[in-house]
Amino acid sequence: DTGVSQNPRHKITKRGQNVTFRCDPISEHNRLYWYRQTLGQGPEFLTYFQNEAQLEKSRLLSDRFSAERPKGSFSTLEIQRTEQGDSAMYLCASSFRGYNTEAFFGQGTRLTVV
Amino acid sequence: DQQVKQNSPSLSVQEGRISILNCDYTNSMFDYFLWYKKYPAEGPTFLISISSIKDKNEDGRFTVFLNKSAKHLSLHIVPSQPGDSAVYFCAASEPFGNEKLTFGTGTRLTIIP
Repeated sequence: DTGVSQNPRHKITKRGQNVTFRCDPISEHNRLYWYRQTLGQGPEFLTYFQNEAQLEKSRLLSDRFSAERPKGSFSTLEIQRTEQGDSAMYLCASSFRGYNTEAFFGQGTRLTVV
Repeated sequence: DQQVKQNSPSLSVQEGRISILNCDYTNSMFDYFLWYKKYPAEGPTFLISISSIKDKNEDGRFTVFLNKSAKHLSLHIVPSQPGDSAVYFCAASEPFGNEKLTFGTGTRLTIIP
């Protein structure tokens, strides 16, 4: 297992288009997180899955954002009707369920909305 | 409301010397603290962590110190190496939840050969 994998690495899209990103977590991990990072900021929490259940969503996640994790394996993050403010690095992380367990991050998907 | 703060956006250190990165937090519910290292165009890489029941954790050249009363933690890198040049993020999580991380804004460390 080579770690958390995210695809695509880069995505350029026109404003108003829909985009979808994929995350493949470390196989034994049952927790999966999505974060967003903009320039000069640290990653900000978007949403969290335990197995296939989406247990928490940040208020940063507007109605245009939806995430799924069918069968508790890979996850997708879709942004509908993209806006220029959606331009950011989208990071996926996974971890074991448990107390004080570190999260391992993928390389991220860089989204640019033009 | 920035619950995790890294007040030094950048730090330059001579190779071989000690690098000290600082982090302050305001949320007293945080009980687990982590440091991540990030190279450009890559995701954060886990470096070292510390639980609130400890005040020090060491892993090779990296040591994290936690001062709960001051709500302050620091990362010491000794000796600093050119490959340590990166952005370092401090992160924290609350207990008994989903352990989502709250990150600081990062400190760019540059090691001067």
